Amino acid sequence: KAGVTQTPRYLIKTRGQQVTLSCSPISGHRSVSWYQQTPGQGLQFLFEYFSETQRNKGNFPGRFSGRQFSNSRSEMNVSTLELGDSALYLCASSLGLAGHYEQYFGPGTRLTVT
Amino acid sequence: AQSVSQHNHHVILSEAASLELGCNYSYGGTVNLFWYVQYPGQHLQLLLKYFSGDPLVKGIKGFEAEFIKSKFSFNLRKPSVQWSDTAEYFCAVISMEYGNKLVFGAGTILRVKS
Repeated sequence: KAGVTQTPRYLIKTRGQQVTLSCSPISGHRSVSWYQQTPGQGLQFLFEYFSETQRNKGNFPGRFSGRQFSNSRSEMNVSTLELGDSALYLCASSLGLAGHYEQYFGPGTRLTVT
Repeated sequence: AQSVSQHNHHVILSEAASLELGCNYSYGGTVNLFWYVQYPGQHLQLLLKYFSGDPLVKGIKGFEAEFIKSKFSFNLRKPSVQWSDTAEYFCAVISMEYGNKLVFGAGTILRVKS
């Protein structure tokens, strides 16, 4: 079956702009989690959505937000972009809540903020 | 704050050498533990996981890990590495008592020389 897909794969934005990233989970998976990966901070948890509800949130400012649709697809939004937001953003899906089920990761969206 | 420590950032081994990658976490209570691997150019994928039961768990490709609760450790082992094991390895921990958020270690880059 098809894996987790993320669009776009690469994105260049200017400081102050906003961006929306999309994630389509594996069919049947109801949980979608988002992570930020940078060389300095590693993989950091952003938030998790399950059945259209945010279930967990990491320690990121309110500029980072997300949502999940009824078909389990998820979007992540970052407003007022800062240079430090440049990172690889990974999406992972699982049958149930992450940590209790295997997560399947997508290829990521590489965001560069200039 | 809860944290996951991976002792070595870079490891270089010759083929057929034995591997042990350390992982320690700072949580008390009940935890679920994971090792993920990222091969060059590929997505993160699950190597193995521990939820309960036998503390020695076996994963894919001949990897195993041992959960030692008294030492807060979940070390990854493989008796004989192959060139194809060259990858980055991540330990991850989740605890319901600490917000049910999956926390990753910084990762260990393993290079196997042929």
